[in-house]
Amino acid sequence: DTGVSQDPRHKITKRGQNVTFRCDPISEHNRLYWYRQTLGQGPEFLTYFQNEAQLEKSRLLSDRFSAERPKGSFSTLEIQRTEQGDSAMYLCASSPELRGRAGMEQYFGPGTRLTVT
Amino acid sequence: DQQVKQNSPSLSVQEGRISILNCDYTNSMFDYFLWYKKYPAEGPTFLISISSIKDKNEDGRFTVFLNKSAKHLSLHIVPSQPGDSAVYFCAASPYGNKLVFGAGTILRVKS
Repeated sequence: DTGVSQDPRHKITKRGQNVTFRCDPISEHNRLYWYRQTLGQGPEFLTYFQNEAQLEKSRLLSDRFSAERPKGSFSTLEIQRTEQGDSAMYLCASSPELRGRAGMEQYFGPGTRLTVT
Repeated sequence: DQQVKQNSPSLSVQEGRISILNCDYTNSMFDYFLWYKKYPAEGPTFLISISSIKDKNEDGRFTVFLNKSAKHLSLHIVPSQPGDSAVYFCAASPYGNKLVFGAGTILRVKS
């Protein structure tokens, strides 16, 4: 029973560099979500995919952020020209196909902690 | 604007007693509510959920109550155990898409 995995777990980068994170969802979960969490706050929604289609993006997702989910399996989140304000925990979650009120629960990975110096 | 609010940053409870964590929401479009538990350096773990068509859902030691007219939900943990010490997040979902989280409540269960 494999859960959501994320790689890397920690990333330290210098301001202005590009970073890319990977998320592998639970097998057969067709929906995948990205969230960002800063200290003292709950996770904030960034974007979500149903299969390979990106269906919603938050206003938090500036032009420097891009997410992909090729072939509807794993997903990547790239941040270009990182800024110190990007320092946060980036969480990925997945959920199965929505059938009525079943499938609402999202299952989270351990997160990638990004530190921009 | 915070659509989901957890007004108590922390709660301390004696082992064996009841823990009650509260959550308020403002958006009437929310129709599904969830509680997550988070340990340091881990992602949130799903705990229990409730649909807006219900007012109570129970799973073992955990019960969630929903008061739609007051836009309020609560999580009861009975009996509380030291292993329950964690950060608890309330989350709400409009139509099964994104989750909107509160800021969390730190629960400490003292033995």
